[in-house]
Amino acid sequence: EIVMTQSPATLSVSPGERATLSCRASQSVISSVAWYQQKLGQAPRLVMYGASTRATGIPARFSGSGSGKEFTLTISSLQSEDFAVYYCQQYSYWPNTFGQGTKLEMK
Amino acid sequence: QVQLVESGGGLVRPGGSLRLSCEVSGFSFSDNYMSWVRQAPGKGLEWIAYISVRGSTIYYAESVEGRFTISRDNTKNSLYLQMNSLRFEDTAMYYCASQSTPAPIFAYWGQGTLVTVSS
Repeated sequence: EIVMTQSPATLSVSPGERATLSCRASQSVISSVAWYQQKLGQAPRLVMYGASTRATGIPARFSGSGSGKEFTLTISSLQSEDFAVYYCQQYSYWPNTFGQGTKLEMK
Repeated sequence: QVQLVESGGGLVRPGGSLRLSCEVSGFSFSDNYMSWVRQAPGKGLEWIAYISVRGSTIYYAESVEGRFTISRDNTKNSLYLQMNSLRFEDTAMYYCASQSTPAPIFAYWGQGTLVTVSS
């Protein structure tokens, strides 16, 4: 099973600043990585897939990059609604697997 | 609009059974692949089961293989998860999630139904 490791576990950033979240796969997953945002008490929401394609309705301040084993989700100018937990997921191999999450909190 | 509504969760004793349902509206259920994803309290996401559009292809996570059964009824726009031999570690919020392709990219999620396994 592919292990997805996210860092940091918690990221404290001020509104308006840039946030960079990282995700590393235990082996190459090509570009088969998605990112999900989850707010407290809510279901996850798809943010990015194919490592760099924004999902429907996701603002342009969200961008994704990476291939192989290293992936990044960047939020260029944080808005109050962006503070949440973010999960990466690989879907190159079954079973698809998620990272443990990065909590993005307001500084 | 797109809606996925889970039901059937509750409190169950270890070794017991539950059947979860997920009713879908707002998109073509019969054209979508479906999965169940769960989240233990305070923990991350775990995919547990997948079913293709006609039910011909099914995958399970090792943690539930042999105990859980995923199924669907395209005439009722509904997805199911039969859970047998429940364990304490099955306690979680269970989400149904849709995929427009066989790749498990979960574009739409339900609000979840809570399963608690406790004696």
